[in-house]
Amino acid sequence: SQQGEEDPQALSIQEGENATMNCSYKTSINNLQWYRQNSGRGLVHLILIRSNEREKHSGRLRVTLDTSKKSSSLLITASRAADTASYFCATARGGSQGNLIFGKGTKLSVKP
Amino acid sequence: GAVVSQHPSWVICKSGTSVKIECRSLDFQATTMFWYRQFPKQSLMLMATSNEGSKATYEQGVEKDKFLINHASLTLSTLTVTSAHPEDSSFYICSARDDTSGGYEQYFGPGTRLTVT
Repeated sequence: SQQGEEDPQALSIQEGENATMNCSYKTSINNLQWYRQNSGRGLVHLILIRSNEREKHSGRLRVTLDTSKKSSSLLITASRAADTASYFCATARGGSQGNLIFGKGTKLSVKP
Repeated sequence: GAVVSQHPSWVICKSGTSVKIECRSLDFQATTMFWYRQFPKQSLMLMATSNEGSKATYEQGVEKDKFLINHASLTLSTLTVTSAHPEDSSFYICSARDDTSGGYEQYFGPGTRLTVT
């Protein structure tokens, strides 16, 4: 079953602008991860933020996590045409399995 | 490091036949692997968790007799779609968790596109 929702569902911006995507989830989590998927391809892991962290950076990526609101945001700064892809958040419940439940994704289009 | 491969990358089969998809962790051992299905323009849906040496755990609504999972070694899990029908056409993605990483990060394969005619 789907854990949460991303918004917006689709986002179109110009190269150089920042892109912000939001993710909400429903249950308590151990960590939250963001993935990127180019059309028809596998997923690439971008960043993982643990439930006791509030913010994390990786290159042009900035992720925030608000466990009280059960939400996270992914900010891509100075976007490039190559950032065009679908972005998914995924939450991991506790326990030995660590199953990932994916949100519906945001389709980002960066125009050169 | 942490590369996961899938084979085949795409397959077309006739309705009623069975198709096997392989998922391999190339440079790490994975006691746990996961199988997902993704329909066009939709998100990934977890189908089952594959555990080396034991039975897979299937998500609610996934038929275990139709989607057979075998995880016979620490680097290989297979998904067999039995008696495939056109509605089984989808993008199947596996992922594997590195046993030594101690974390929850999963490494994804490139996916297998199945088309049932």
